[in-house]
Amino acid sequence: DAMVIQNPRYQVTQFGKPVTLSCSQTLNHNVMYWYQQKSSQAPKLLFHYYDKDFNNEADTPDNFQSRRPNTSFCFLDIRSPGLGDAAMYLCATSGPGGNYEQYFGPGTRLTVT
Amino acid sequence: AQSVTQPDIHITVSEGASLELRCNYSYGATPYLFWYVQSPGQGLQLLLKYFSGDTLVQGIKGFEAEFKRSQSSFNLRKPSVHWSDAAEYFCAINTGGFKTIFGAGTRLFVKA
Repeated sequence: DAMVIQNPRYQVTQFGKPVTLSCSQTLNHNVMYWYQQKSSQAPKLLFHYYDKDFNNEADTPDNFQSRRPNTSFCFLDIRSPGLGDAAMYLCATSGPGGNYEQYFGPGTRLTVT
Repeated sequence: AQSVTQPDIHITVSEGASLELRCNYSYGATPYLFWYVQSPGQGLQLLLKYFSGDTLVQGIKGFEAEFKRSQSSFNLRKPSVHWSDAAEYFCAINTGGFKTIFGAGTRLFVKA
């Protein structure tokens, strides 16, 4: 089945220690998104890629970076995680056609100690 | 500014009872409308969507939603709730760009 895969599902990192979360997709969608979701809140868009074009949300901290080496993979890098960055990180994709429905991965739960 | 309001933070219904989750949006035209469901510790799954046409849309898992332009609403309904429906439900809109605006979510509890 075509899907969005996130690894790892759970990640523990230390305060200030860089961490990378990964996302891959078999849907061949041209748009990939990263969201941050804190407990009992709506997902908050951090950035998205339209093909190789990177689009950062205005309020996304500089501490968050992303890479998309090819259509299938996208990475979220947190350069110096703080305690406030503990959250669920969701990757999503959307395809052509302009309907903007999104397909989500299962998420990575990040804990910062 | 565009926004989505889900007025109920949580709702409890008995198994087998009907369900309606409310959603209102603020936008000057008709946006793309979505309902997503999120089970604990999981990603979001699309339940249904409205782009145009018939204002009553059917989705997966027996859910339906009705778009009412005059009320700027897109309420989600299910005639008979199952215990497995317990989850968080998000209403969302997209106005044609890459940013989807989500409501704060409604947590559904199902009691036996």
